[in-house]
Amino acid sequence: NAGVTQTPKFQVLKTGQSMTLQCAQDMNHEYMSWYRQDPGMGLRLIHYSVGAGITDQGEVPNGYNVSRSTTEDFPLRLLSAAPSQTSVYFCASSYRVTDFSYEQYFGPGTRLTVT
Amino acid sequence: TQLLEQSPQFLSIQEGENLTVYCNSSSVFSSLQWYRQEPGEGPVLLVTVVTGGEVKKLKRLTFQFGDARKDSSLHITAAQPGDTGLYLCAGVPLWNYGGSQGNLIFGKGTKLSVKP
Repeated sequence: NAGVTQTPKFQVLKTGQSMTLQCAQDMNHEYMSWYRQDPGMGLRLIHYSVGAGITDQGEVPNGYNVSRSTTEDFPLRLLSAAPSQTSVYFCASSYRVTDFSYEQYFGPGTRLTVT
Repeated sequence: TQLLEQSPQFLSIQEGENLTVYCNSSSVFSSLQWYRQEPGEGPVLLVTVVTGGEVKKLKRLTFQFGDARKDSSLHITAAQPGDTGLYLCAGVPLWNYGGSQGNLIFGKGTKLSVKP
């Protein structure tokens, strides 16, 4: 199993450009999420999905779109890049272990710089 | 206000020393998790604690969930340079029990450096 894969690993965009960060998992997990990680801010949830066709907003959704057409894929779209979106982006997939807990697996991250 | 407070933020120690890092909240959590993140990589799940007072051991790492399920600690015995990394706690607040996993909340992390 490859686990959670993300592409690209690095990306530089100019302000106003759009792009899609790709995320795929081969573990048949129901849940997938996108986080951004900034120095001093920790991991913040952007969007998440509880299954194919179902998505919802997290803590910091503005400027990002997602869709989930298959269980495996969960792309994150930046509509019009801004310098404030410079960050490291992590995709994660997870499954419910018990009513009380999930096991979450993270991808290797995409380092995005917006100039 | 950060729902999960981690302390200390930074910790630099010598190989062989013991250390404890903390994860505290004023809210009750249905479970808490600890992750380790190495530079340039995604976080990796170390452990999940579910029951108040629970203690779990993973080699030289000991994890404890507070009796009231509002806090957790991670103790490392005889730290090694390979333990270097960012340690993150995360959990689902009890008021969101049964809700979507989208409500997994992360602390800001403790950055540990173990020098040889």
